[in-house]
Amino acid sequence: ETGVTQTPRHLVMGMTNKKSLKCEQHLGHNAMYWYKQSAKKPLELMFVYNFKEQTENNSVPSRFSPECPNSSHLFLHLHTLQPEDSALYLCASSQESGRPNNEQFFGPGTRLTVL
Amino acid sequence: AQSVTQLGSHVSVSEGALVLLRCNYSSSVPPYLFWYVQYPNQGLQLLLKYTTGATLVKGINGFEAEFKKSETSFHLTKPSAHMSDAAEYFCAVSEGGGATNKLIFGTGTLLAVQP
Repeated sequence: ETGVTQTPRHLVMGMTNKKSLKCEQHLGHNAMYWYKQSAKKPLELMFVYNFKEQTENNSVPSRFSPECPNSSHLFLHLHTLQPEDSALYLCASSQESGRPNNEQFFGPGTRLTVL
Repeated sequence: AQSVTQLGSHVSVSEGALVLLRCNYSSSVPPYLFWYVQYPNQGLQLLLKYTTGATLVKGINGFEAEFKKSETSFHLTKPSAHMSDAAEYFCAVSEGGGATNKLIFGTGTLLAVQP
């Protein structure tokens, strides 16, 4: 595997379900990000981890719970979601989160549908 | 706060024609600027970035962009469109400093290339 991978690619869940999204980066980076991409809206940054420590929570509802066990893996745990949470969830990584000229490398995303 | 405006959510060009995608930004500090491309069912891929130095930046797939501070613009161009250029293009500015490098994205421009 190379780059940034995300699983699953598609997920359909009910509002009472609990599920998790997984992201893995094979680039030796130290920062990882979760973004939400909804139709006709700019990409929304959700969470940032730098060297496994959360450095940004962009006022995300508590029904989204991130976990970063090491610099290569990032999870997004989902519970009691709402239909408006349906979106493409993108994971990204970069060398470090504190360098503004760092390129972020994106995974292919998980298309989430909440029924 | 920094922001990005992309004029035109949809742009259509003929194969072989000039591609021009517009991006204006607002920033109180010297910006770092990025163009990303997203093909269907894929994540975002970096086309090019401006950090410092030369204001004309060349990227992959024949794209280039010019940083114009006086106009607060970073428009993306390609002399001759190819069918494979059909995708969504996102301009982004880096809100650097502190513990987190945030990328602020525009709403995207969907490029269609007609045969």
